[in-house]
Amino acid sequence: EDQVTQSPEALRLQEGESSSLNCSYTVSGLRGLFWYRQDPGKGPEFLFTLYSAGEEKEKERLKATLTKKESFLHITAPKPEDSATYLCAVQGGNEKLTFGTGTRLTIIP
Amino acid sequence: ETGVTQSPTHLIKTRGQQVTLRCSSQSGHNTVSWYQQALGQGPQFIFQYYREEENGRGNFPPRFSGLQFPNYSSELNVNALELDDSALYLCASSLDGIEAFFGQGTRLTVV
Repeated sequence: EDQVTQSPEALRLQEGESSSLNCSYTVSGLRGLFWYRQDPGKGPEFLFTLYSAGEEKEKERLKATLTKKESFLHITAPKPEDSATYLCAVQGGNEKLTFGTGTRLTIIP
Repeated sequence: ETGVTQSPTHLIKTRGQQVTLRCSSQSGHNTVSWYQQALGQGPQFIFQYYREEENGRGNFPPRFSGLQFPNYSSELNVNALELDDSALYLCASSLDGIEAFFGQGTRLTVV
């Protein structure tokens, strides 16, 4: 069965303090690894898809990387508006998305 | 903002009742998936529809059922509601099951 573990569960950073979120996974036949941002009471907002080890993608202050066992979401010089829960999900051969429980990120002004 | 819309946004039901949630998928997408998200948890896969056929199901009982229509919109039906069914229900649409985009969700409260 596909599994995703995210760490830490919660992270508080000062504005401008860079850090990384971790997503460890096991999956049968990886079709893609996905990062989403979720604000309270809202649906997940798509950020990135990574398809193979070594791949990297960037968007504004966020950069996602992928190895065969884990993915990192690096956040550089975060701003208060980056505060949200960040979800990682994998898609295996059965096409369903398996999510982790997320990292709740708080950026303090 | 994605083109996936869900209705209603909030709903309160009594234990034992039945509920229908609706999802309009993004233009050009032929696959719809439904997820249940309890507070503080990640979304859990309920089932997926591809071109009007169910093609995958998670660990949810048969009282959770669905439909996909020719225009690729979808419904999630839950019978005999239980208190534990209280959650945010999310619909996601994609083209051929790749790169799913989510709606804003329906918050269901069972009392």
